[in-house]
Amino acid sequence: VVLTQSPGTLSLSPGERATLSCRASQSVSSSHLAWYQQKPGQAPRLLIYGASSRATGIPDRFSGGGSGTDFTLTISRLEPEDSAVYYCQQHVNRYTFGQGTKLEI
Amino acid sequence: EVQLVESGGGLVQPGGSLRLSCTASGFTFSTYWMTWVRQAPGKGLEWVANIKQDGSDKYHVDSVKGRFTISRDNARNSLYLQMNSLRVEDTAVYYCAKEGFYYMDVWGKGTTVTVSS
Repeated sequence: VVLTQSPGTLSLSPGERATLSCRASQSVSSSHLAWYQQKPGQAPRLLIYGASSRATGIPDRFSGGGSGTDFTLTISRLEPEDSAVYYCQQHVNRYTFGQGTKLEI
Repeated sequence: EVQLVESGGGLVQPGGSLRLSCTASGFTFSTYWMTWVRQAPGKGLEWVANIKQDGSDKYHVDSVKGRFTISRDNARNSLYLQMNSLRVEDTAVYYCAKEGFYYMDVWGKGTTVTVSS
């Protein structure tokens, strides 16, 4: 399963809302879709699992949604610390990741 | 504190071998699937391999099949990745991660593998 993320880069201002897209080449179970945040020089951090469940310690500004082949990560009330690359990930037989969306605040 | 610490990375010539290790603490290692993920310089994340709790099932991405082998030692709370016939394109930071239900919820800081002559 190929995951295509868009846009490649997103530049927004503090306080705005970011909407990141992840499109799958075939249907993915919502329970098998996750989102990660990665800052430079750091390991990825789990944000969302099961398409819409926030991981432990993740603020409610982060929300996930979607089903089938189209999933979204929404970050509201953007803060400078949200600058990072965001990856979606799925599991249908094997794990694959999207190519990432770079968010600049 | 739940923690994963990778080791074993380094510089190796093409065709060479390395064995990566990942030591777990703060959780019951033997009850979780474990995974290796890599990231080439300036690139995205690529899942490499994963292994069931008791080691009876293991899966590898096609690009490493026949060259890399994932294994684990539950008595030592350790995960391994044996990498043989290394290629330049295997150069990456290698992360080990603890799996949840089809996601990875705990990551190590990574170990760097450089394949170059």
